[in-house]
Amino acid sequence: DGGITQSPKYLFRKEGQNVTLSCEQNLNHDAMYWYRQDPGQGLRLIYYSQIVNDFQKGDIAEGYSVSREKKESFPLTVTSAQKNPTAFYLCASSVVSMNTEAFFGQGTRLTVV
Amino acid sequence: LAKTTQPISMDSYEGQEVNITCSHNNIATNDYITWYQQFPSQGPRFIIQGYKTKVTNEVASLFIPADRKSSTLSLPRVSLSDTAVYYCLVGVMMDSSYKLIFGSGTRLLVRP
Repeated sequence: DGGITQSPKYLFRKEGQNVTLSCEQNLNHDAMYWYRQDPGQGLRLIYYSQIVNDFQKGDIAEGYSVSREKKESFPLTVTSAQKNPTAFYLCASSVVSMNTEAFFGQGTRLTVV
Repeated sequence: LAKTTQPISMDSYEGQEVNITCSHNNIATNDYITWYQQFPSQGPRFIIQGYKTKVTNEVASLFIPADRKSSTLSLPRVSLSDTAVYYCLVGVMMDSSYKLIFGSGTRLLVRP
């Protein structure tokens, strides 16, 4: 079954701790993306990657880090430097083309306690 | 990336046709126009995509005028389950990178 999987679905973190969100895809897509969504708001791009071992900052990269060691995986680490990390995080993947369609995971809801 | 402008919200009733218009005055020659639908606590999903004129699939139609500076997503005979946020995306290339930039979207509320 092809798709994109995020885990965990819910995550709780204590202030000052780093936490890593998982994103795996078996669609053979080159491009992968991480978005943050706050209540009632649109999606904001955190990081994106077009190819293995390469990634670029999006609009709100501060306090986050990523890696792209494998084509299938694009984990996001929310560091203690992110001052307001409570949000809904979405991962997506797509082929690299002008008429691309993005496929999204089901999201991870992170809450800082 | 072409900036898009959509209405913040729209209301409709079951069985009506809903048209959501997106403005993208700075669309580039190679840009496609793509619409996504998002339900609460879920990731967006692709609805329809077009380059020019009209595109129709099993769930929606997309109308694009000749100048391509706007597009209209048409949902025929909406039901309560069409209540969602609808995003219009234009173009994916910026600084030689593929970026998918989502705006704030249009919140559609379908009433019984």
